[in-house]
Amino acid sequence: SQTIHQWPATLVQPVGSPLSLECTVEGTSNPNLYWYRQAAGRGLQLLFYSVGIGQISSEVPQNLSASRPQDRQFILSSKKLLLSDSGFYLCARLLNTGELFFGEGSRLTVL
Amino acid sequence: QQPVQSPQAVILREGEDAVINCSSSKALYSVHWYRQKHGEAPVFLMILLKGGEQKGHEKISASFNEKKQQSSLYLTASQLSYSGTYFCGTEFMYSGGGADGLTFGKGTHLIIQP
Repeated sequence: SQTIHQWPATLVQPVGSPLSLECTVEGTSNPNLYWYRQAAGRGLQLLFYSVGIGQISSEVPQNLSASRPQDRQFILSSKKLLLSDSGFYLCARLLNTGELFFGEGSRLTVL
Repeated sequence: QQPVQSPQAVILREGEDAVINCSSSKALYSVHWYRQKHGEAPVFLMILLKGGEQKGHEKISASFNEKKQQSSLYLTASQLSYSGTYFCGTEFMYSGGGADGLTFGKGTHLIIQP
């Protein structure tokens, strides 16, 4: 199974509040994991990727951070949300075929 | 570094054909194609590796011109289910293997009308 669980599915947060989005994956161990963000009507922007526990690479400087505390867990966080953080956050894993397999996403609205 | 997709949007009648293009200014290792329905996660269609190959998937096929750093997605005899936003994702030559993640274009909105 290559299932990806993302939680929560939707949330509405006020500006300045903290954020924690969780992604857990099933299947093979030590997967390469990714966080993408999609703003309304826009393309997919790579935020972070991880090749193993505690290993995080950031693609875009911003007020978001990521952590990988366990092999199959990838967390996206923020201490203070901005309006521009609104969007559809997608966790993905790299399959052996080279395909990026996406989770169902978490939709964040910052008010 | 973001690949450029064209056109931005296409409106077709059911049964018509469409071509979606993806071009890069940097040398590519591979091109990936995904389709996303509104409110859903992107779904993988196919990967094309350098070497100028062409692949097919039902009535959807794609080509990769390594020399021009371009890929095209061909949708033949379009069906209503083909509606959605199509994204190309690129791996650059220095990051072969996909570990660094894909860089996606802005997408092409495809609307199929009955």
